[in-house]
Amino acid sequence: QSVLTQPPSASGTPGQRVTISCSGSSSNIGSNYVYWYQQLPGTAPKLLIYNNNLRPSGVPDRFSGSKSGTSASLAISGLQSGDEADYYCGTWDDSLSGHVFGTGTKVTVL
Amino acid sequence: QVQLQQSGPRLVKPSQTLSLTCAISGDTVSSDSAAWNWIRQSPSRGLEWLGKTYYRSKWFTDYAISVRSRITINSDTSKNQFSLHVNSVTPEDTAVFYCARSVAGTRIDYWGQGTLVTVSS
Repeated sequence: QSVLTQPPSASGTPGQRVTISCSGSSSNIGSNYVYWYQQLPGTAPKLLIYNNNLRPSGVPDRFSGSKSGTSASLAISGLQSGDEADYYCGTWDDSLSGHVFGTGTKVTVL
Repeated sequence: QVQLQQSGPRLVKPSQTLSLTCAISGDTVSSDSAAWNWIRQSPSRGLEWLGKTYYRSKWFTDYAISVRSRITINSDTSKNQFSLHVNSVTPEDTAVFYCARSVAGTRIDYWGQGTLVTVSS
């Protein structure tokens, strides 16, 4: 059902850097801003990155986003145990005329 | 700080109508710069945007193609809230439903706490 494709899982040890990819198409990522959301267990998603690479107030600069063509990436540097969560990319799809989300990536801190 | 508080029944029988309400604080449902969305999440469908309502001199609603024939989103300015109604539900509609605010066209920045709605007889 999800329009955007993400790897199901990613992991790293504390302090390491983890990168999550998000693949879409010309009608969504290719022509619109990308957003990233963090969903801690049992809670609602929280906006982590907006407009491809901007952080809302309060989000640590350990989180960074980038976009190139029809793909985007989220990087988490200095990995911490509190970063264990599901991460979703999202954007607008011009063909569907609606918001679309990624399949989600579960980040585990080893 | 925007807060969205959801309410509504957690169990709905098949073929009936699912109705949820989202009360807004810290913003107004008739804001000319925000839109008010409903999104659901299930293991089989992931995060799925259902639709939104917004006010730009008059009220507009946009619905996802997948559910357009079955859903209605409306607003109540007197109570500063908006609602979702999904008719003819089936067990496949079982999901956690979220209300959410979007700004600047496509940025979904605040989410409600989520409501697990189960469709079962």
